[in-house]
Amino acid sequence: SQQGEEDPQALSIQEGENATMNCSYKTSINNLQWYRQNSGRGLVHLILIRSNEREKHSGRLRVTLDTSKKSSSLLITASRAADTASYFCAKGNQGGKLIFGQGTELSVKP
Amino acid sequence: DGGITQSPKYLFRKEGQNVTLSCEQNLNHDAMYWYRQDPGQGLRLIYYSQIVNDFQKGDIAEGYSVSREKKESFPLTVTSAQKNPTAFYLCASSPGGASYNLPLHFGNGTRLTVT
Repeated sequence: SQQGEEDPQALSIQEGENATMNCSYKTSINNLQWYRQNSGRGLVHLILIRSNEREKHSGRLRVTLDTSKKSSSLLITASRAADTASYFCAKGNQGGKLIFGQGTELSVKP
Repeated sequence: DGGITQSPKYLFRKEGQNVTLSCEQNLNHDAMYWYRQDPGQGLRLIYYSQIVNDFQKGDIAEGYSVSREKKESFPLTVTSAQKNPTAFYLCASSPGGASYNLPLHFGNGTRLTVT
């Protein structure tokens, strides 16, 4: 599908550990964005990385983009129970619409 | 506080009835979007509007209709023609047109249940 894949679908870790989520895509992108969704709520934009960038940081978040492999990863360092949520990548393609992946459900246990 | 307001949070309807979901934004954004989210799935685009009085179909527009008479409002009607209307509906906006791939601001959704 045009959406590509996110993995893992679910991830359970202990507080203080790092969490890594991956996102792959199939067509060229202008940018790739990561969003967070708490249960029953809307999505919140976390970080945007452009196709000519390789890495971006925002607080405890680190996003990488490898256009040769058509993949991106989101790393959350020193996770907290409050990081428990679903995380989605969204590919900004040249057609102009964001294509969302199916998400990774992260559970951080205290 | 600027943001997007979706109402109601929960909506219940009988099969065969049309229902309209409200979305209002005070962010002065040009573009607005409607997405549908089903359990365990990503978001699928229903309709989007880049300017008042103009809107385009997304990937799953069948059974839905929208209007954009005011910049701040983008209501979605789920018609009886939509075969599986039960879902979580999310409204979003962005400052520029869809072609710019700008970050989206989301409302907190309306959960529609049709029985």
